[in-house]
Amino acid sequence: EPEVTQTPSHQVTQMGQEVILRCVPISNHLYFYWYRQILGQKVEFLVSFYNNEISEKSEIFDDQFSVERPDGSNFTLKIRSTKLEDSAMYFCASRGKQGGTEAFFGQGTRLTVV
Amino acid sequence: AQSVTQLDSQVPVFEEAPVELRCNYSSSVSVYLFWYVQYPNQGLQLLLKYLSGSTLVKGINGFEAEFNKSQTSFHLRKPSVHISDTAEYFCAVKPSNFGNEKLTFGTGTRLTIIP
Repeated sequence: EPEVTQTPSHQVTQMGQEVILRCVPISNHLYFYWYRQILGQKVEFLVSFYNNEISEKSEIFDDQFSVERPDGSNFTLKIRSTKLEDSAMYFCASRGKQGGTEAFFGQGTRLTVV
Repeated sequence: AQSVTQLDSQVPVFEEAPVELRCNYSSSVSVYLFWYVQYPNQGLQLLLKYLSGSTLVKGINGFEAEFNKSQTSFHLRKPSVHISDTAEYFCAVKPSNFGNEKLTFGTGTRLTIIP
């Protein structure tokens, strides 16, 4: 069964460093998303990406964040200068084309900023 | 804007007993409704969804949910739980209009099955 895969499963980084979280969405899916879940809190929407551009973003997704689809298979989230409060589980998701209303989620990357 | 409320943060249930996990939502537009499950150290997996039509929807692993528009609820139920149902359950909504992609999640309910 096709699935969304994320790497790494756990990343530890020093405050101020740049991190790139990687995702391989389900092939032939067209809509891509990043969500995050701070420990003990709800899953929050960060950004959606369609047709090689951001289609929607939340107020959390400020200038420190960027997304990219550098080739036909990967979808990345970059945090330019990490802060302690960026520590969270980051989930990538993808959705198929018309009629496919459900998003399929990856297993997540736990980011720890120290 | 949408919001989702899951009033029960933790629900302990004896094995083979029935369970109901509550979800209420608020939205000014029509929405699609979802229940996701997160097993320990795993990602989010879709249990079931309501798009339109019959208000009772059945999902995987014997779960079902009923959409109640007047009460703006989408409670999840299972008649007999197993140890393997121990997980975190998230209710989520998404506007049904094209172009709005954001899923709004509740805070989750941790279901613990007692042997």
